[in-house]
Amino acid sequence: NAGVTQTPKFQVLKTGQSMTLQCAQDMNHEYMSWYRQDPGMGLRLIHYSVGAGITDQGEVPNGYNVSRSTTEDFPLRLLSAAPSQTSVYFCASSYQDRPDTEAFFGQGTRLTVV
Amino acid sequence: GENVEQHPSTLSVQEGDSAVIKCTYSDSASNYFPWYKQELGKGPQLIIDIRSNVGEKKDQRIAVTLNKTAKHFSLHITETQPEDSAVYFCATQTGANNLFFGTGTRLTVIP
Repeated sequence: NAGVTQTPKFQVLKTGQSMTLQCAQDMNHEYMSWYRQDPGMGLRLIHYSVGAGITDQGEVPNGYNVSRSTTEDFPLRLLSAAPSQTSVYFCASSYQDRPDTEAFFGQGTRLTVV
Repeated sequence: GENVEQHPSTLSVQEGDSAVIKCTYSDSASNYFPWYKQELGKGPQLIIDIRSNVGEKKDQRIAVTLNKTAKHFSLHITETQPEDSAVYFCATQTGANNLFFGTGTRLTVIP
């Protein structure tokens, strides 16, 4: 059982470049989310989705776009990368109709913007 | 919005001793309080959770306590082992699925 799979694991971008971080889950979870992890700041919610075709903003959405065309996939797009977006990004999923149950996280994508 | 504070930021204990990590939160509507363990190079993994209608929960060497009146909850690890060394995060949830995380505690267990 693969769980939550993120690609790539590492990425270096130049300022102004765009890219997409991929996230896929095979647990048929309706709820998916993206977090960024910065030193001393824990994990902060960027965007989330409660099902295919539905997305919403979290705490720190600026500079990022998401879409949810299928239940399995939830890509995160950086439109024009900035050094402030250097971070470790985590995708997570859980059952939508059972909010107080476990969220499963991917292995993370370490992004460096130079 | 929710504000979750976590202390201490680093904690070193001798193998076999106990470790305690504390969190406070601001939103009285929070009703689910999970704890995650993150090992180097990996994503966070749930180790224990507690719901607002429960004051304490234990799972082998790990326990969590919740005081809703004071808006704080704690993680207790007894008989620590080197493999307990990791970063631990507390989190809260207010009915929807979105989690609010503390800033993390780096636990080092010294053999």
